[in-house]
Amino acid sequence: KQEVTQIPAALSVPEGENLVLNCSFTDSAIYNLQWFRQDPGKGLTSLLLIQSSQREQTSGRLNASLDKSSGRSTLYIAASQPGDSATYLCAVDNNAGNMLTFGGGTRLMVKP
Amino acid sequence: EAGVTQSPTHLIKTRGQQATLRCSPISGHTSVYWYQQALGLGLQFLLWYDEGEERNRGNFPPRFSGRQFPNYSSELNVNALELEDSALYLCASSLGPSNQPQHFGDGTRLSIL
Repeated sequence: KQEVTQIPAALSVPEGENLVLNCSFTDSAIYNLQWFRQDPGKGLTSLLLIQSSQREQTSGRLNASLDKSSGRSTLYIAASQPGDSATYLCAVDNNAGNMLTFGGGTRLMVKP
Repeated sequence: EAGVTQSPTHLIKTRGQQATLRCSPISGHTSVYWYQQALGLGLQFLLWYDEGEERNRGNFPPRFSGRQFPNYSSELNVNALELEDSALYLCASSLGPSNQPQHFGDGTRLSIL
């Protein structure tokens, strides 16, 4: 059974800092990994999807990497802004019926 | 392009009642997924529909059920509501199975009194 863990559970940084969020998974036989953002009481916004054959994906100030063999992914946020404050979730697709298995999330606060 | 839309935004029910939640996928998407986000339990997969058929379900009792209509919209029905069913129910859609990104709606907040 796939298990996904995110560390840290919460993070508070001053504006302008570069930061790294971590995601680990126990079953490396994945098809893809997605990073999402969730604002309080809202749905999920897809940030990046990395296919199992890829090593990284970039979108603006965001960069996600994937090391399938070690069961790890990182989300790098450059020059953080207060608007980046949200919960960040990673999810893996083992193609076990197309269900996503989510980590518990990292709650990020960027202080002005 | 309109995103995934869910209705209602909030739903208040009492124990033992039945609830119906609705989801309209992004145009062109044939797969619809339902997830439950309960406080302290994280996001858990409920159901997956594709081309009108239930393709997979998570570890939930049979009183959680649903269907997908010919226009690919979907309903989630929860019978005999229990207090622990209080949660945010999220719907997602994708272009189809096989390695497609899932796009989420804003959810329906179900509160059981």
